[in-house]
Amino acid sequence: GDSVTQTEGLVTLTKGLPVMLNCTYQTTYSPFLFWYVQHLNEAPKLLLKSSTDNKRTEHQGFYATLHKSSSSFHLQKSSVQLSDSALYFCALSDLLTSGGNYKPTFGKGTSLVVHP
Amino acid sequence: EAAVTQSPRSKVAVTGGKVTLSCHQTNNHDYMYWYRQDTGHGLRLIHYSYVADSTEKGDIPDGYKASRPSQENFSLILELASLSQTAVYFCASSGGQANTGQLYFGEGSKLTVL
Repeated sequence: GDSVTQTEGLVTLTKGLPVMLNCTYQTTYSPFLFWYVQHLNEAPKLLLKSSTDNKRTEHQGFYATLHKSSSSFHLQKSSVQLSDSALYFCALSDLLTSGGNYKPTFGKGTSLVVHP
Repeated sequence: EAAVTQSPRSKVAVTGGKVTLSCHQTNNHDYMYWYRQDTGHGLRLIHYSYVADSTEKGDIPDGYKASRPSQENFSLILELASLSQTAVYFCASSGGQANTGQLYFGEGSKLTVL
């Protein structure tokens, strides 16, 4: 079955530094990859998504590139802010290619803590 | 903007009691999901549905039932609530003509079992 791996459980950084959160996946099909962000006491919401190989996608200063050759979709930002402190989930779907009876697959999440 | 609403937003239940969490979506989405989140942890899939009047077991279905009486509504039922079911529960939907599998989450329902 499908799987998503996020290797870091907790990342702690000082404001202004760059960050990369790792995401690798396994699937038989051609997937959509997602990053969701969840701030404290809020619901997860979409940050980025992509299905195009080797194309960078960006939103709110965050960016990620889907690399099908290495099955990766790492999330990056060049300069983190205090407001970026949150839980970040990587997820995949293969709905369009796998057919019905579909359920998305989430990684365990990475907690990003940004200090002043 | 996609809309998923959950009720109640917060509930305190007694051990052994029955709890029903409700979810309503106005997105015209076929897929609906119930996730559980324990403090500071990830999302675990309990039940999901891709058509009205039918539900599927997720990864942690034990102790939970689900009901999908219509495309818009999806309920999670705890027949005999237990202390270990204290958590935040999120409903989500996905679908549409260009369905990528993107999830639209409700605001969450915080359940405390005493």
